[in-house]
Amino acid sequence: GAGVSQTPSNKVTEKGKYVELRCDPISGHTALYWYRQSLGQGPEFLIYFQGTGAADDSGLPNDRFFAVRPEGSVSTLKIQRTERGDSAVYLCASSLKPGLADSNTGELFFGEGSRLTVL
Amino acid sequence: AQTVTQSQPEMSVQEAETVTLSCTYDTSESDYYLFWYKQPPSRQMILVIRQEAYKQQNATENRFSVNFQKAAKSFSLKISDSQLGDAAMYFCAYRSANDYKLSFGAGTTVTVRA
Repeated sequence: GAGVSQTPSNKVTEKGKYVELRCDPISGHTALYWYRQSLGQGPEFLIYFQGTGAADDSGLPNDRFFAVRPEGSVSTLKIQRTERGDSAVYLCASSLKPGLADSNTGELFFGEGSRLTVL
Repeated sequence: AQTVTQSQPEMSVQEAETVTLSCTYDTSESDYYLFWYKQPPSRQMILVIRQEAYKQQNATENRFSVNFQKAAKSFSLKISDSQLGDAAMYFCAYRSANDYKLSFGAGTTVTVRA
């Protein structure tokens, strides 16, 4: 597609439920990132994929959070047993190459995020 | 860990005037990148301007320019000839040349008065 697509745009769920958030990156982008943006704060890194594998998941807050990218394109962020503190906007970004490369090719393109509200 | 500080939660500017947003950062590295992102109500983060730390010349992109002071670890954004469409949240971000993760500040909300 023309840009990074994230679905759903908004999700309201009850405490304890399971949630999946989907990210469809720009075609051809090998690097994919998930960030979490809590109200009034800047985004915080969650996980980075290079191809199909999670190259760095050090930002995932706990083992209730998991992400996959089975075919190296679409990624799904999965949250089990949701808590009210998980409420945030979850942003996905992709880049042609990892940010370690030239700053131009490593430029991140962000989606519009998925706003998760846990009641 | 790197920290990025934006000390102005909100800034207001008259249309056609100039506004400057401040950003400071803390790092022990010498090679890194700095960014300003714009986030409108649509929530999509849009890159406004980028600065490589090894370049002494301040980056400019049309009405947007930065004042990069490496020794002071300061990276301010100047928006000239402000337009109504500039109203948004602006985030300063840092990335080490040896890493791919961005560290963001808390953001500054810019309001443009007609």
